[in-house]
Amino acid sequence: GAVVSQHPSWVICKSGTSVKIECRSLDFQATTMFWYRQFPKQSLMLMATSNEGSKATYEQGVEKDKFLINHASLTLSTLTVTSAHPEDSSFYICRPTGTSGYEQYFGPGTRLTVT
Amino acid sequence: GENVGLHLPTLSVQEGDNSIINCAYSNSASDYFIWYKQESGKGPQFIIDIRSNMDKRQGQRVTVLLNKTVKHLSLQIAATQPGDSAVYFCAENIAKRDDKIIFGKGTRLHILP
Repeated sequence: GAVVSQHPSWVICKSGTSVKIECRSLDFQATTMFWYRQFPKQSLMLMATSNEGSKATYEQGVEKDKFLINHASLTLSTLTVTSAHPEDSSFYICRPTGTSGYEQYFGPGTRLTVT
Repeated sequence: GENVGLHLPTLSVQEGDNSIINCAYSNSASDYFIWYKQESGKGPQFIIDIRSNMDKRQGQRVTVLLNKTVKHLSLQIAATQPGDSAVYFCAENIAKRDDKIIFGKGTRLHILP
């Protein structure tokens, strides 16, 4: 299957600070990146979709100024949680897609805890 | 709207028995369905998929059945093993529209020794 990495795998930050999460597709070119978040014992919820070199499209209810997404290259996308609050504590997961047929694969996730 | 739901939040199965996990979807436009397995603290792991022009697909120890008439999807796991313990999600996609994958609520599969 496709090799997708996320960094960091877990992070603890103080309320009010910003945190950047990286997602890399290591063996294929990701023309589109999907970002999900998952609260404990809940399902994955799609946050936003980004195409390489374009602005991200956010799902209803997701604040675009709070969750900044950059997809500047075909192998890297970043999600920055700005001015994080405890309610942003969640498991953030990326899913890169391209033309290789690896559309079903997800990253390993990043656990964010805001104190 | 798009909604993929699951009938049972928790399923307990004896080791060695077969498991059947069910899923209902509401969007008749969905034409691609995927089952994922998620272990604690990890990202979803692809298990098997099926397109709407099929009603059954088999993999290694797993079978997915699709009933478009009643908008129902199921995952059958044969000879359940302790390593099958996880949360299972069905997900749907409208392939002709975009690559968005929308997840259902999930079923926790618990294997009894």
